[in-house]
Amino acid sequence: RKEVEQDPGPFNVPEGATVAFNCTYSNSASQSFFWYRQDCRKEPKLLMSVYSSGNEDGRFTAQLNRASQYISLLIRDSKLSDSATYLCVVPESSASKIIFGSGTRLSIRP
Amino acid sequence: DTGVSQNPRHKITKRGQNVTFRCDPISEHNRLYWYRQTLGQGPEFLTYFQNEAQLEKSRLLSDRFSAERPKGSFSTLEIQRTEQGDSAMYLCASRLAGGPGGGELFFGEGSRLTVL
Repeated sequence: RKEVEQDPGPFNVPEGATVAFNCTYSNSASQSFFWYRQDCRKEPKLLMSVYSSGNEDGRFTAQLNRASQYISLLIRDSKLSDSATYLCVVPESSASKIIFGSGTRLSIRP
Repeated sequence: DTGVSQNPRHKITKRGQNVTFRCDPISEHNRLYWYRQTLGQGPEFLTYFQNEAQLEKSRLLSDRFSAERPKGSFSTLEIQRTEQGDSAMYLCASRLAGGPGGGELFFGEGSRLTVL
């Protein structure tokens, strides 16, 4: 099993729709989780951190389910500018390497 | 600019040549990471440093790859005897472990390697 697995893309949804991605991780010792956004030919940038059960920031909600070892990202009222690749990021522990998922590509159409 | 900087931004080389990439992290960051990314994939972990100590190296990484961070500031990633399969974007990232903000990873813009 891969250390971090994400929903395969691409997701192609109309503007204004709600879309959700899942990410599963294998290391039960992981404590913190992140969602990064990567635009085409750009470097990844932090979108949200997830430390407890979840986190909400405007149209974006991240949830953590430790028992099932997955995190999710929900985007409401999607906008054209949300088109990007969303990367799930799981540090193995506070003192170890940081693993990225393969990314979920999202395309918002007008 | 106080972000992570990488150079060169682009490198085209012939198979068998050696290449070296440099990364200058955010100055107060104690951890530095190297990743490799190919089209359609997420960043693949290569190695990371805590100050000058290389704490972990990917088991999948060939012996042709070596990284250093001699003074705990900038880092270099060298690839010896390059192969066409080494063509990728090499990303460097830094963070302040244990600092505020949960230790967010900040990335450089990457060094794109093309091996002919």
